[in-house]
Amino acid sequence: ELKVEQNPLFLSMQEGKNYTIYCNYSTTSDRLYWYRQDPGKSLESLFVLLSNGAVKQEGRLMASLDTKARLSTLHITAAVHDLSATYFCAVGEYGNKLVFGAGTILRVKS
Amino acid sequence: ETGVTQTPRHLVMGMTNKKSLKCEQHLGHNAMYWYKQSAKKPLELMFVYNFKEQTENNSVPSRFSPECPNSSHLFLHLHTLQPEDSALYLCASSQAQGSIGSPLHFGNGTRLTVT
Repeated sequence: ELKVEQNPLFLSMQEGKNYTIYCNYSTTSDRLYWYRQDPGKSLESLFVLLSNGAVKQEGRLMASLDTKARLSTLHITAAVHDLSATYFCAVGEYGNKLVFGAGTILRVKS
Repeated sequence: ETGVTQTPRHLVMGMTNKKSLKCEQHLGHNAMYWYKQSAKKPLELMFVYNFKEQTENNSVPSRFSPECPNSSHLFLHLHTLQPEDSALYLCASSQAQGSIGSPLHFGNGTRLTVT
């Protein structure tokens, strides 16, 4: 059974600082996704990572995938308040089934 | 309308009621999903439909009954629910099974409270 662990589960950071969210998973997978959820809103797709060594960047967020270590990271550069949200990683199991991590609540303080 | 639309946004029901949640997608996708999001728990997959056929039932109690009449519409029929079923129910769609890399597109969810 595929298990997905995110850490930290809660992250409070100052504006302008850098930090990394980690996503570990327990069995081989061919795809990993990062999503963002604002309070009271739906989940928004951020990145799709399909191969070992894949790196995707959008603004202040950069995601990477190491399939050998079964690890993905979401790196935040020079955080701004607008990045405050909950971030989920999701790992593909069989078919089109995804298993989600518990989510990381990010709060950026000015 | 574009994207994935869910109705109602909020629903309060008693344990003896019967109600239905509705989801509609305008993205041309062929796979639709129901997820449950409870406080302090990861998103739980409930059901998956590919081309109107149910391909996944994640050991969901029979008091939840899905229906997918076509690739654009998905329902979740509810009856004799329990208070622990109170949660945010999210519908999602994507390209069909086998389209590796297609992300899920989520609706805004239905906040369900069972009294």
